[in-house]
Amino acid sequence: RKEVEQDPGPFNVPEGATVAFNCTYSNSASQSFFWYRQDCRKEPKLLMSVYSSGNEDGRFTAQLNRASQYISLLIRDSKLSDSATYLCVVREDFGNEKLTFGTGTRLTIIP
Amino acid sequence: EPEVTQTPSHQVTQMGQEVILRCVPISNHLYFYWYRQILGQKVEFLVSFYNNEISEKSEIFDDQFSVERPDGSNFTLKIRSTKLEDSAMYFCASRDRINYGYTFGSGTRLTVV
Repeated sequence: RKEVEQDPGPFNVPEGATVAFNCTYSNSASQSFFWYRQDCRKEPKLLMSVYSSGNEDGRFTAQLNRASQYISLLIRDSKLSDSATYLCVVREDFGNEKLTFGTGTRLTIIP
Repeated sequence: EPEVTQTPSHQVTQMGQEVILRCVPISNHLYFYWYRQILGQKVEFLVSFYNNEISEKSEIFDDQFSVERPDGSNFTLKIRSTKLEDSAMYFCASRDRINYGYTFGSGTRLTVV
């Protein structure tokens, strides 16, 4: 079973639309959760951390459901510049420092 | 904004040759990492390094790989005898003690021919 699983897409959505990505993780001991974005042939960049209470950063909202081991990302009023691959990332704390990445979901915003 | 710097940006090497990938982490960061991404695949953890020693390594990080922090600023990844399947983008990352957020370098694209 994959450790972090995402729908690879691609998602092609019109500018201004709302788009949602989902992710599941297999290790119930996971403690920290993130969404990263990766542009083509570039490094991953932190988009936002994900907290149990849910958190919002402008047009982006992230949710975590520990019971279901499920993470989501919602992008409202999508812009052309949102086109990228969105990576769901999990970190097991308490000494295990590595990040475990999903394969990513590719998003293309269409003008 | 502080950056993690990686050199070279692209390296082509012949199978069996040794390569050294170089990284300059952010100056006050204490934890250092190497990840790799084979084209079209996910980002994979290779190794973490703290207090001048390896703190964790993955199954990928076999005897052909080594890391070193030879001075106060550089962090290197050496592959002793490259294989075709080592072709990938290699990302260096660092973080400080408190902030869980990693900063990734822009990567070195390694092509083994």
